[in-house]
Amino acid sequence: GENVEQHPSTLSVQEGDSAVIKCTYSDSASNYFPWYKQELGKGPQLIIDIRSNVGEKKDQRIAVTLNKTAKHFSLHITETQPEDSAVYFCAASRGFKTIFGAGTRLFVKA
Amino acid sequence: EAGVTQFPSHSVIEKGQTVTLRCDPISGHDNLYWYRRVMGKEIKFLLHFVKESKQDESGMPNNRFLAERTGGTYSTLKVQPAELEDSGVYFCASSQDLARTAGGYTFGSGTRLTVV
Repeated sequence: GENVEQHPSTLSVQEGDSAVIKCTYSDSASNYFPWYKQELGKGPQLIIDIRSNVGEKKDQRIAVTLNKTAKHFSLHITETQPEDSAVYFCAASRGFKTIFGAGTRLFVKA
Repeated sequence: EAGVTQFPSHSVIEKGQTVTLRCDPISGHDNLYWYRRVMGKEIKFLLHFVKESKQDESGMPNNRFLAERTGGTYSTLKVQPAELEDSGVYFCASSQDLARTAGGYTFGSGTRLTVV
């Protein structure tokens, strides 16, 4: 069946450095790629998304890139801050079906 | 606007017992989804309601799981009888339309189920 692979599973960076999380999807018909951030004790919250007709999108310190040919998409966080520490999930969506990756636990060390 | 509410936040039950999880979606959201995350793994789809109808229940693990959404408002997910492998965090999410159109889902905080 369709799946989304996400790497790395854990990422530790120094405050101020950049963090990159990568995902690969299998369903070539996927046309929407959201990223969610889950903080302790809370549910996943959408932080940025990208549609299949766009290659890159940026929102302040976060950016996403999409390579439809390779079926890869990535999340980039620049100038990381301690409050960026959380679990991040990528997802690939087609119609009403959304498939999630296994998550990346990001630690930002002050 | 109130978010998606899930109850209880935690539940510890013995193998063989029954547990019922509840989800109150955002008012007006016709689409309601149940997902489950087993420790360290992906958030896995269980099922999707459109109003009171089950649109897609292909992710339900087996017939020990029963989901309902009477009246198209809140939803319940019952596990009977619970097994050890049912442990995990159960998330509910809602949306007004396709995720692509609505700008993603709104998730609840989840119910952490532990079966001992």
